[in-house]
Amino acid sequence: EDQVTQSPEALRLQEGESSSLNCSYTVSGLRGLFWYRQDPGKGPEFLFTLYSAGEEKEKERLKATLTKKESFLHITAPKPEDSATYLCAVQAGGGSYIPTFGRGTSLIVHP
Amino acid sequence: DSGVTQTPKHLITATGQRVTLRCSPRSGDLSVYWYQQSLDQGLQFLIQYYNGEERAKGNILERFSAQQFPDLHSELNLSSLELGDSALYFCASSVTGTSYEQYFGPGTRLTVT
Repeated sequence: EDQVTQSPEALRLQEGESSSLNCSYTVSGLRGLFWYRQDPGKGPEFLFTLYSAGEEKEKERLKATLTKKESFLHITAPKPEDSATYLCAVQAGGGSYIPTFGRGTSLIVHP
Repeated sequence: DSGVTQTPKHLITATGQRVTLRCSPRSGDLSVYWYQQSLDQGLQFLIQYYNGEERAKGNILERFSAQQFPDLHSELNLSSLELGDSALYFCASSVTGTSYEQYFGPGTRLTVT
């Protein structure tokens, strides 16, 4: 069974204090790993897709990296508007395209 | 704004009732996905349709059903509602059926009393 574990569950940062969120996964043949951002009461917003170990993608203050067992979402010099829950999901290989989501990391950035 | 629309935004109903949630995908997207999100379960995949055909099924209860119409909009039907069905229900869409990038709607908050 595919599993996704995100840590920490919650993270509080001061504005400008860089940090990383972790997504550990167990999947039989990774087809893709996805990061989403979700604001309270809203639908998740797609951020990145990573396909293979060693791949990196960046968007503004966010950088996602992937190894064979985990992915990191690095947040550089965060701002209060980066406060949200960050969700990680994996999609296994084979005939099924069902994504498995982690429980998310709730990030709060204080001014 | 993702371009995915969902109605209604909020729904309050009683146990045992039946409700229908509606979703219109982004223009050009052929695939629609339904998810349930509750505090204790996180985001759970329910079902996927691609161009009118069921493509994948997740942890969807037998009391729940869905369909995708020729104009590509989709409806999720929830029947014999229980208190535990209270949750946020999201629809997402993607261009193809491989779901590499999904675009989520704003959700329908269902409260069963």
